[in-house]
Amino acid sequence: QVTLRESGPALVKPTQTLTLTCTFSGFSLSTSAMCVSWIRQPPGKALEWLARIDWDDDKYYSTSLKTRLTISKDTSKNQVVLTMTNMDPVDTATYYCARMMDHGDYRGAFDIWGQGTMVTVSS
Amino acid sequence: QSALTQPASVSGSPGQSITISCTGTSSDVGSYNLVSWYQQHPGKAPKLMIYEGSKRPSGVSNRFSGSKSGNTASLTISGLQAEDEADYYCCSYAGGSTWVFGGGTKLTVL
Repeated sequence: QVTLRESGPALVKPTQTLTLTCTFSGFSLSTSAMCVSWIRQPPGKALEWLARIDWDDDKYYSTSLKTRLTISKDTSKNQVVLTMTNMDPVDTATYYCARMMDHGDYRGAFDIWGQGTMVTVSS
Repeated sequence: QSALTQPASVSGSPGQSITISCTGTSSDVGSYNLVSWYQQHPGKAPKLMIYEGSKRPSGVSNRFSGSKSGNTASLTISGLQAEDEADYYCCSYAGGSTWVFGGGTKLTVL
């Protein structure tokens, strides 16, 4: 069974750096075609894709946020970490991690999602 | 990476069919057959309902179907049921290994 779980602080102050961890099971990020993305959703608003890391350590970022984002993985721990610098109240959102496969079943879709973690940015 | 355009809301009565549109551009929806659709109930994580434009994951009801014409993708739900009431989001590959979501559509089952 594939599962993902997000963890991180519930509250961060403006200008601080946010670090979120996605811990997953049921698949390996060293397997060809496996990818993990981060996606966020402000309260009452739409989903927004943030970043993706691939099995071969290729990394991709949202054009509008790429200067603030860093994604990395620890294959031995089955974890993906997202850091976002210079946090602002507009970054208040639920942050999800989700699996994607680059080819094969469910190609190009986020087939399994974590439950999400709510992050509030406030002083 | 501008968000894909979806109607803010649609509604239908039980048993009816509804269609949700998702309009992008020739740089995303129009160029790739990688549109997916997600169902999200309040307080829950999104659930994959359609991928590659028209394919259904295992376990998703065949009442859900997807299609695409030009720069617009569509999700059709037939035989509406109360449990279908949720928010629906489309998503498309936008090139350069980036992805773009739609603004979301709230489906109300009357």
